[in-house]
Amino acid sequence: SQTIHQWPATLVQPVGSPLSLECTVEGTSNPNLYWYRQAAGRGLQLLFYSVGIGQISSEVPQNLSASRPQDRQFILSSKKLLLSDSGFYLCAWSAGNTIYFGEGSWLTVV
Amino acid sequence: AQSVTQLGSHVSVSEGALVLLRCNYSSSVPPYLFWYVQYPNQGLQLLLKYTSAATLVKGINGFEAEFKKSETSFHLTKPSAHMSDAAEYFCAVSDDMVTGGGNKLTFGTGTQLKVEL
Repeated sequence: SQTIHQWPATLVQPVGSPLSLECTVEGTSNPNLYWYRQAAGRGLQLLFYSVGIGQISSEVPQNLSASRPQDRQFILSSKKLLLSDSGFYLCAWSAGNTIYFGEGSWLTVV
Repeated sequence: AQSVTQLGSHVSVSEGALVLLRCNYSSSVPPYLFWYVQYPNQGLQLLLKYTSAATLVKGINGFEAEFKKSETSFHLTKPSAHMSDAAEYFCAVSDDMVTGGGNKLTFGTGTQLKVEL
């Protein structure tokens, strides 16, 4: 069966520091991959999606970037974090028309 | 453009009572509709989905939802609430396809369900 893992689960970072959140999917090949951010009272916002290695689409302008160095690996990065980057970040993958989510990563920028 | 409106950011029911969480959508094409549940500090778990087959969709944990095109609604119901149902519930719509398959979801802002004794 397919599984998705993301880490770290919790992260506290100072303003201006870099960020790297990693996500891997197992049990499937060539999945579509997604990064969502969840802010309190605002639902979930799609940040990036990828349909293949090296193919990244950005949905909103922001201080973040994404990369897909391998088929089942998706990385969310920032060179310099802002306070507004705090939130709950969710990696996801899709099979057909259904999206499945990872456990999420809490990022607090202080 | 697609959008989702969830009426009521907080819903409180008694254990054993009917659960009704409302979702209305806007879509320019026949949509795919989803309900997800999120327990504290966890990711989202798929409850059920509508993909243009039967309009009454049954999901996990005794939940079901009915797609009503005339009302542009996809309300989530459960006949009898259980304490373990306390969580946040998100409705989502998709009518955008990602090249190569999959889709992009637009989420509502969520409804926090509280179940009281």
